[in-house]
Amino acid sequence: SYVLTQPPSVSVPPGKTATITCAGNNIGSKSVHWYQQKPGQAPVVVIYYDDDRPSGIPERFSGSNAGNTATLTISRVEAGDEADYYCQVWNNYGHQNWIFGGGTKLTVL
Amino acid sequence: EVQLVESGGGLVQPGGSLRLSCAASGFTFENYEIHWVRQAPGKGLEWVSRISSSGSSIYYSDSVKGRFTISRDNARDSVSVQMNSLRAEDTAVYYCARGSNIYYYFDHWGQGTLVTVSS
Repeated sequence: SYVLTQPPSVSVPPGKTATITCAGNNIGSKSVHWYQQKPGQAPVVVIYYDDDRPSGIPERFSGSNAGNTATLTISRVEAGDEADYYCQVWNNYGHQNWIFGGGTKLTVL
Repeated sequence: EVQLVESGGGLVQPGGSLRLSCAASGFTFENYEIHWVRQAPGKGLEWVSRISSSGSSIYYSDSVKGRFTISRDNARDSVSVQMNSLRAEDTAVYYCARGSNIYYYFDHWGQGTLVTVSS
């Protein structure tokens, strides 16, 4: 089965840039989506189709995807960005399912 | 405004059954697929099941196949999942989520309902 690997945690000072990676075999051939989940809340999509932002998501959030790694980049990090972030892809080989990475806890120092 | 509201969670003994429901509003329900995604306490997200807009196409994760049954009623704008033979490892917050019509992601989520499987 297809596996997505994320670092468990990332820490950055406010105003700096946070980079969260999502590794998967040839993930560049898939569409990657990113979700933000704050404590006690439901996930919210922040990036879809590798690098598109839903309405209402700040331009500080961006995504990229190539080779074996997809990346969520958060520029000018704010305290309110502290949350868990999950990558997700759709796998249609052999068994259709929707796959999540293990999640990354972003801490704003 | 798109809204998804889950209900039906609670405490159930191992081997027992529970039925969760998801009531939708704010969009044309019959045009969208709906998913269930769960999150065990302190753990990550796990996709559980998906039903197509018409209800004719259904998928399950291997972890629930044969035990969970998803269904929908487009006249009532609702989706349900019947969960049988529950195990301790099924303990989680269960979210219903709307599937985007393109790109296979979840564009709106409910607030979730907690299922606890314990004796």
